[in-house]
Amino acid sequence: AQRVTQPEKLLSVFKGAPVELKCNYSYSGSPELFWYVQYSRQRLQLLLRHISRESIKGFTADLNKGETSFHLKKPFAQEEDSAMYYCALNGEYSGAGSYQLTFGKGTKLSVIP
Amino acid sequence: GAGVSQSPSNKVTEKGKDVELRCDPISGHTALYWYRQSLGQGLEFLIYFQGNSAPDKSGLPSDRFSAERTGGSVSTLTIQRTQQEDSAVYLCASSSGNDRGRTGNTIYFGEGSWLTVV
Repeated sequence: AQRVTQPEKLLSVFKGAPVELKCNYSYSGSPELFWYVQYSRQRLQLLLRHISRESIKGFTADLNKGETSFHLKKPFAQEEDSAMYYCALNGEYSGAGSYQLTFGKGTKLSVIP
Repeated sequence: GAGVSQSPSNKVTEKGKDVELRCDPISGHTALYWYRQSLGQGLEFLIYFQGNSAPDKSGLPSDRFSAERTGGSVSTLTIQRTQQEDSAVYLCASSSGNDRGRTGNTIYFGEGSWLTVV
């Protein structure tokens, strides 16, 4: 089975402070990890994926297989970063020609001006 | 269209009634997914369609839920005899790949259908 855990439902930080949104996963194989973001009144969209090793809107995330983590980080939070963030894992083959894309329960980030 | 389109955007129904939710994926996308988003429960996988292959129905919570995809494009999610616990946002998504995310294909989400069962 595969599982994604986001331990914080709500995270509040001041503008300019560093941000770390935690994500831990459970998967026995080689996972593919993503972060999705949902801004207020907008649709859910991909923020970044670990295979790209990219920085999007100042956010980065490193896959740590030893700690089974994929935490999302940004050195200086901006007000426009306030949103709902979901960590997702693509892992197990479900037997119908597809893989399960499993999401965590999400963390609501609130950046205080 | 330019993105994944879902209808209705909002639906209020009485307990016990049937509802149908529609999804128009991005043109040319062969993969289509339904997820359910509930307060405090995150995103729950429901069903996945890929081309003409048999759908992955492993996430459907009960036999009251079913989904079809006609002509490899439009999909309809049907909930029969709705219950109050069915109240949620139902999200549809599509992607161009046949390998859900494993090769880096981006999944694009619709704005969702807000279902309220009273």
